[in-house]
Amino acid sequence: DVKVTQSSRYLVKRTGEKVFLECVQDMDHENMFWYRQDPGLGLRLIYFSYDVKMKEKGDIPEGYSVSREKKERFSLILESASTNQTSMYLCASSFIRDQETQYFGPGTRLLVL
Amino acid sequence: QKEVEQDPGPLSVPEGAIVSLNCTYSNSAFQYFMWYRQYSRKGPELLMYTYSSGNKEDGRFTAQVDKSSKYISLFIRDSQPSDSATYLCAMTPVNQAGTALIFGKGTTLSVSS
Repeated sequence: DVKVTQSSRYLVKRTGEKVFLECVQDMDHENMFWYRQDPGLGLRLIYFSYDVKMKEKGDIPEGYSVSREKKERFSLILESASTNQTSMYLCASSFIRDQETQYFGPGTRLLVL
Repeated sequence: QKEVEQDPGPLSVPEGAIVSLNCTYSNSAFQYFMWYRQYSRKGPELLMYTYSSGNKEDGRFTAQVDKSSKYISLFIRDSQPSDSATYLCAMTPVNQAGTALIFGKGTTLSVSS
């Protein structure tokens, strides 16, 4: 059974703090993705990676950075959290040869005060 | 114009009804079409996947793609309360490294017993 785990289910941070969200998958997937999901706006892609140390900007990369040092782990970094980054953050992974099947983690609900 | 349009609903139906969920898209290069289901407080999971045009059936679910109209549908027969969820369509032009899925905003479905 594929498992995508995210470091926290709920997180509360202060404006200006540096925030790390971690995602780990156990299926040797090449692709990993970070999305945010907001009411009325749907799923929006922040960054994705199709290989170790590779990254591609998604639709809304501003204010975020990512790190992929190991194949199974993809981190999302908010360099200086702002209130408009309050959201649900979802990580996903997939095989390159099977990209239609993305496996999602349970999500991290981040509140920035 | 957004690349993928999906009516957010909410859609409320009685148990046993036939449900039709739809998405339209503007990019004629899309070849792979997916439907994801997302239960409350969970990550999305792949429900069905279709390549190019045509129909695909899986139990009570039928996915339909009409590329000439740039229109995809998901039909649910004999709907059950357990089908209550948000349904997201997704699509991509090719299945290769460095390509991300484009998601619709999702339609929230509620099936009452």
